[in-house]
Amino acid sequence: EVQLVQSGAEVKKPGESLKISCQGSGYSFTSYWIGWARQMPGKGLEWMGIIYPGDSDTKYSPSFQGQVTISADKSISTAYLQWSGLKASDTAMYYCARSSGRYRPFDYWGQGTLVTVSS
Amino acid sequence: EIVMTQSPATLSVSPGERATLSCRASQSVSSNLAWYQQKPGQVPRLLIYGASTRATGIPARFSGSGSGTEFTLTISSLQSEDFAVYYCQQYNHWPGLTFGGGTKVEIK
Repeated sequence: EVQLVQSGAEVKKPGESLKISCQGSGYSFTSYWIGWARQMPGKGLEWMGIIYPGDSDTKYSPSFQGQVTISADKSISTAYLQWSGLKASDTAMYYCARSSGRYRPFDYWGQGTLVTVSS
Repeated sequence: EIVMTQSPATLSVSPGERATLSCRASQSVSSNLAWYQQKPGQVPRLLIYGASTRATGIPARFSGSGSGTEFTLTISSLQSEDFAVYYCQQYNHWPGLTFGGGTKVEIK
């Protein structure tokens, strides 16, 4: 069974750093892209970026370039999304999802990680 | 970046009626368009990909059509479990795999 399991909810202060994770199982982790999407409270989905764990090829949506870092450790089938200096506006639910390649949809999604940034 | 515009923002429909949702792209995305359903507190679920192909396990009452810049999701006879928010997403132009703003389908 394909699963993407994300790390648990986080509460952080502005300026702090954070790294959340998404672990894949039930499929060949290195053969699928993993993407990240943000959903702010009561709002729609926004695409952040995507990584190919097989060779760590990473691409960012222009809106998120320089704001976050996406990485992966294929040895433990895990992708990451990290911030170096959180802002209150980073408060949101973050989802990971997988795609088999360019021109393919995102068929499995993680359960989401809620990040709350508050002083 | 491709802008995806969904209409209407909210659609009020009675159970058993047909619902038609629209999605427009600011430039051609070919048929690389997906529809997702999201219920409150739940994860987005892939419904349609390739503009018109139902994902595994999706009931036949969901259908998608269109190509280029104009797309439609039709729910032929709304069931109670279909009341949700629906998002379109283009995956033709990387890396900005943009979503539409969503259409909320609510009970009339």
